[in-house]
Amino acid sequence: DAGVIQSPRHEVTEMGQEVTLRCKPISGHDYLFWYRQTMMRGLELLIYFNNNVPIDDSGMPEDRFSAKMPNASFSTLKIQPSEPRDSAVYFCASSLTLTRRVDTQYFGPGTRLTVL
Amino acid sequence: QQQVKQSPQSLIVQKGGISIINCAYENTAFDYFPWYQQFPGKGPALLIAIRPDVSEKKEGRFTISFNKSAKQFSLHIMDSQPGDSATYFCAARDSARQLTFGSGTQLTVLP
Repeated sequence: DAGVIQSPRHEVTEMGQEVTLRCKPISGHDYLFWYRQTMMRGLELLIYFNNNVPIDDSGMPEDRFSAKMPNASFSTLKIQPSEPRDSAVYFCASSLTLTRRVDTQYFGPGTRLTVL
Repeated sequence: QQQVKQSPQSLIVQKGGISIINCAYENTAFDYFPWYQQFPGKGPALLIAIRPDVSEKKEGRFTISFNKSAKQFSLHIMDSQPGDSATYFCAARDSARQLTFGSGTQLTVLP
């Protein structure tokens, strides 16, 4: 399997612009997570989906952030309008629920976002 | 309540030495404790994990020690190698499958 795929790998944009980050989870996985990593705050969970349904978006910092999962193989994280403080590495991760077994979250390579 | 506290922030070890990273948690509902390894420019990758009904788990040079009563767990890297130089994160998972991460430990193994 190719693992979790994220695009783009790097994004540089100007303040006020819309940014869309994309994620393709591992085929067959039923959970998808979006994280943000910064030096100051470490790894933060933003939102996660189960079977394409958003379960908990309490980590989404503001209404400027939105995430969708239109199908089992694709998710987007959108920031509109973007601000310099949104600069971070955004990770997508997926996992498979195994009955009576622990599941493992597999992380993608991340998207490094820089908002000027 | 959801915090996972990790120490030290950075660690320098000589090749062949033992690296020890510690984590503590408060939420007794956590049911799964993974450790992730992250190299620069890469996403975190699962290294080893333990459930609270086990006190120790060993995989090769990596061992997790778990103390349920103290709500602490630690990662031991035996015979540390320069290739182990990375950032290590402990984490804890709740019943909703959310992972709460520690702040990370930057490990440097000197040749």
